[in-house]
Amino acid sequence: QVQLVQSGSELKKPGASVKVSCKTSGYTFTSYPINWVRQAPGQGLEWMGWHNTNTGNPTHAQGFTGRFVFSLDTSVSTAYLQISDLQPGDTAVYYCARGWGIVVDYWGQGTLVTVSS
Amino acid sequence: QSVLIQPPSVSGTPGQRVTISCSGSGSNIGINSVYWFQQFPGTAPKLLISRNDQRPSGVPDRFSGSKSGTSASLVISGLRSEDEADYYCAAWDDSLSGRGVFGGGTKLTVL
Repeated sequence: QVQLVQSGSELKKPGASVKVSCKTSGYTFTSYPINWVRQAPGQGLEWMGWHNTNTGNPTHAQGFTGRFVFSLDTSVSTAYLQISDLQPGDTAVYYCARGWGIVVDYWGQGTLVTVSS
Repeated sequence: QSVLIQPPSVSGTPGQRVTISCSGSGSNIGINSVYWFQQFPGTAPKLLISRNDQRPSGVPDRFSGSKSGTSASLVISGLRSEDEADYYCAAWDDSLSGRGVFGGGTKLTVL
């Protein structure tokens, strides 16, 4: 069965970096892009962008450029989200999800990133 | 401010029919399909309706979707207590070189 398993919760200080992993299984990794979605505490869903796992081309939504880096390791069917220079406003649950753009059918369980001094 | 506009909350009693609206524009709902997601507290969203009105396998037929012009609706018939959750509409938006956009979410309370 299709599974996306994300790394565990992180507590970081402002200015630090974090790397969230999304390990997939149950399908051919390069057949579907991986999307990243942010959900701040008590807030709605924000599409951060997606990573074409076939071409390796990432696409970032406005507001998620610069400090937000998508990467892949196709040898282990895993996608990564790295956020640098973390700020308290980055505190959120970050989800990876399989699919084309907004057409996501399977989601990871989410990774809570807390930024606090 | 979300690109797609949903009511913050709706409520109903068991057995009732409730409708959640989603308003967009000509660059998103007007020209692209609408998707609906259901999210329970502390869990990941789940795809509920695909391509405006298609139910993925396993989704009860109590849930239905529709689209007209730049708006869409999710209808839940025969409301059950376990339907209490947050519901989000989503669509692809062709502006700004293309992006996914979500509604702000609607909290459904079953009274």
